[in-house]
Amino acid sequence: DTGVSQDPRHKITKRGQNVTFRCDPISEHNRLYWYRQTLGQGPEFLTYFQNEAQLEKSRLLSDRFSAERPKGSFSTLEIQRTEQGDSAMYLCASSRTGHSTDTQYFGPGTRLTVL
Amino acid sequence: QKEVEQDPGPLSVPEGAIVSLNCTYSNSAFQYFMWYRQYSRKGPELLMYTYSSGNKEDGRFTAQVDKSSKYISLFIRDSQPSDSATYLCAMHLTGNQFYFGTGTSLTVIP
Repeated sequence: DTGVSQDPRHKITKRGQNVTFRCDPISEHNRLYWYRQTLGQGPEFLTYFQNEAQLEKSRLLSDRFSAERPKGSFSTLEIQRTEQGDSAMYLCASSRTGHSTDTQYFGPGTRLTVL
Repeated sequence: QKEVEQDPGPLSVPEGAIVSLNCTYSNSAFQYFMWYRQYSRKGPELLMYTYSSGNKEDGRFTAQVDKSSKYISLFIRDSQPSDSATYLCAMHLTGNQFYFGTGTSLTVIP
């Protein structure tokens, strides 16, 4: 299967701890996106990369959040000093620019619970 | 005003019914429109993709875009219990930030 993969699938942490999530996009996709989704809501955009460059960040992305895509392949999303309000599903998606559909394919998500 | 509005439902229909799901949007510059299906505790799965106005059909699914009304629809014919999920509309300008609706929860009763 060559879809988008995310790791871990579930993470439980205590308030104040740091967590890091990984996303591996579809191999030929040069764009990678991070979203946050809470119960009963659609995905909310956090940030996106084209290759290794981070091109856009939402105002939702506080300074406790940082994302990297060092070699233009996989990406990591780190949350420092987690808060209970950070509990959500974190979704990664990828797409390919210049492709006729230019749409996003999602991974299964990482469900974060902050106690 | 949200960029994309979608009635959250829930919507419950008998098996075999035709289902109509809708979204409205505020930004007339949106050009690309998508429908995703999301099962509980899973990531969204792309169902339909439409560029600009018009209809697109794929099996039991038909997507419609009316840019003059800023209104998009997804129709599901001969609905099946396996169609029970949350359906999300999404749209974007040129592939950067995507805007999603809140999702409509659908249950198809056998």
